[in-house]
Amino acid sequence: NAGVMQNPRHLVRRRGQEARLRCSPMKGHSHVYWYRQLPEEGLKFMVYLQKENIIDESGMPKERFSAEFPKEGPSILRIQQVVRGDSAAYFCASSPPAGQGTEAFFGQGTRLTVV
Amino acid sequence: KNEVEQSPQNLTAQEGEFITINCSYSVGISALHWLQQHPGGGIVSLFMLSSGKKKHGRLIATINIQEKHSSLHITASHPRDSAVYTCAVMSPETSGSRLTFGEGTQLTVNP
Repeated sequence: NAGVMQNPRHLVRRRGQEARLRCSPMKGHSHVYWYRQLPEEGLKFMVYLQKENIIDESGMPKERFSAEFPKEGPSILRIQQVVRGDSAAYFCASSPPAGQGTEAFFGQGTRLTVV
Repeated sequence: KNEVEQSPQNLTAQEGEFITINCSYSVGISALHWLQQHPGGGIVSLFMLSSGKKKHGRLIATINIQEKHSSLHITASHPRDSAVYTCAVMSPETSGSRLTFGEGTQLTVNP
């Protein structure tokens, strides 16, 4: 049973380009969480998704950021027109559909560098 | 004030020393995680606990629900324990298994 898979591990984008980060949850998990870790800062919640549904996006910047978790395929975090301040490590976690208090498992993260 | 506060922010120890990292939180929780992150590495969940004490090898985690406080202890520390340790809470007031994190403790263990 493979863990949470994120790709790419490292991503370099020029300012103004788009960044697409992918997260494949653990087998049997239907809940996905995206977190961001800015340089020298702690982790912050961005968005919580279930299949085909955004449950909580209260941590997502209002502009340029979007997330989806389609019926088939990985969850995608999309950042349009990237700026230097988007440089960060983006982590995905998944959990099974068992309600609150369920342990979440983390991926290895995608390190985005905007040049 | 952050909902989850950790201390110390940075900790340097000599190999073999006993280490304690503290976490205080201000919200009601359903569970608390201790996470480990090596430089450039992924996040590993060391413990998830909602009461009492858990032990895994040289690591011990305790939680006092009444005092809203948790500690992570490392016995006989080793240079490979050098990492960032983060406390994170799940709250019934937030959605699903969403976590709220402390700022992390950078631990360096010197040989």
